[in-house]
Amino acid sequence: SYELTQPPSVSVSPGQTARITCSGDALPNQYAYWYQVKPGQAPVLVIYKDTERPSGIPERFSGSSSGTTVTLTIIGVQAGDEADYYCRSADSSVTYDVFGGGTKLSVL
Amino acid sequence: QITLKESGPTLVKPTQTLTLTCTCSGFSLSATGEGVGWIRQPPGRALEWLALIYWDDDTRYSPSLRSRLAVTQDTSKNQVVLTMTNMDPVDTATYYCAHRRVDSNGYYWFDPWGQGTLVTVSS
Repeated sequence: SYELTQPPSVSVSPGQTARITCSGDALPNQYAYWYQVKPGQAPVLVIYKDTERPSGIPERFSGSSSGTTVTLTIIGVQAGDEADYYCRSADSSVTYDVFGGGTKLSVL
Repeated sequence: QITLKESGPTLVKPTQTLTLTCTCSGFSLSATGEGVGWIRQPPGRALEWLALIYWDDDTRYSPSLRSRLAVTQDTSKNQVVLTMTNMDPVDTATYYCAHRRVDSNGYYWFDPWGQGTLVTVSS
């Protein structure tokens, strides 16, 4: 079955830049979507279609894509950005979706 | 404003069938292009995509759970129902439903999500 691979954790200091990657064989042909999950809260969409930012999401959040890897970048990380981040995409036949294993962003 | 809310049992016994309802507001399930997805998250583990139902009753299922899942909708009540058979303790998770937002090219994403409901499987 199709898999998306994320690093388990990323740690940065406040004000620094965090980069969270997501790798998958179908990513050159399928868009990726990023969700922020905080404890006890519903997941929130932060990036869609690789690079688009929903209204209400700070400009500090951006997405990029290169080959089989997509990247969520958070510039000027704040304590409130500490959360788990998940990428989501579809398999090459677009018959089902998959989430990555999630990355815990820690703000030191 | 689009909102979704999951409801159902908080505790089920092994081998039982789980039935969860997602009550939707702010959009019509029968409107062309609309859809609702189901996603779960076991405690301390990753999100797992389960299923998706479209406005025309077309469905998609996770290959690993396809034999146990069924998703239906009652457009008169604007509700989506997830059924999962033969529940096991490993199915203990927070179950979410989410609105499928789609663009003009058919690409979609889940936004917003319901608050989720924790289902525990235990005898």
